[in-house]
Amino acid sequence: AQSVTQLGSHVSVSEGALVLLRCNYSSSVPPYLFWYVQYPNQGLQLLLKYTTGATLVKGINGFEAEFKKSETSFHLTKPSAHMSDAAEYFCAVSDRGSGNTGKLIFGQGTTLQVKP
Amino acid sequence: DSGVTQTPKHLITATGQRVTLRCSPRSGDLSVYWYQQSLDQGLQFLIQYYNGEERAKGNILERFSAQQFPDLHSELNLSSLELGDSALYFCASSVGQVSMNTEAFFGQGTRLTVV
Repeated sequence: AQSVTQLGSHVSVSEGALVLLRCNYSSSVPPYLFWYVQYPNQGLQLLLKYTTGATLVKGINGFEAEFKKSETSFHLTKPSAHMSDAAEYFCAVSDRGSGNTGKLIFGQGTTLQVKP
Repeated sequence: DSGVTQTPKHLITATGQRVTLRCSPRSGDLSVYWYQQSLDQGLQFLIQYYNGEERAKGNILERFSAQQFPDLHSELNLSSLELGDSALYFCASSVGQVSMNTEAFFGQGTRLTVV
């Protein structure tokens, strides 16, 4: 069965500092990989996804993530944090292939705090 | 705005009661997914419908049921409610299955509080 582990339920960075949110997955075959962001009292918004091709994926708001098959990881980074990046971030996986139903398996989430 | 509409936004009800949550997917999307977000369980997949038919089932309790209507809107019915059912319930929609060229779009959720 697939699973997703996000290391660190809470990450705090200073404004302008590097943001690194960690995600590892467990799957028999490399799945589709996603990062979603949830702002307070809002739904989930897709930041970026990896499906195939280039392993470094660029998303919205300056975020990017790198798929590393050997490490079963899909860590999210942003070179310089803004106050507006404070939110909860979720890593998720979805099956690929003929059995794919499209359901997402989410990690536990990481709350990003940005200090002035 | 994702284009996915959920109503109501908030719901407060008593234990033992039954409620219905409604979801209107984005125009053209055939798949609807329901997720539950709670403090102890995190974000969990409940059930998926595709063009009116159940497609996948996750950790959905027997007290919960869902359906998708011919106009593609979906309803999640929660009965014999318990305090532990208090959570944020999300609906998401996609054109078909989430794959290389598609993604799931999430509504703003319905916050259910059982007292």
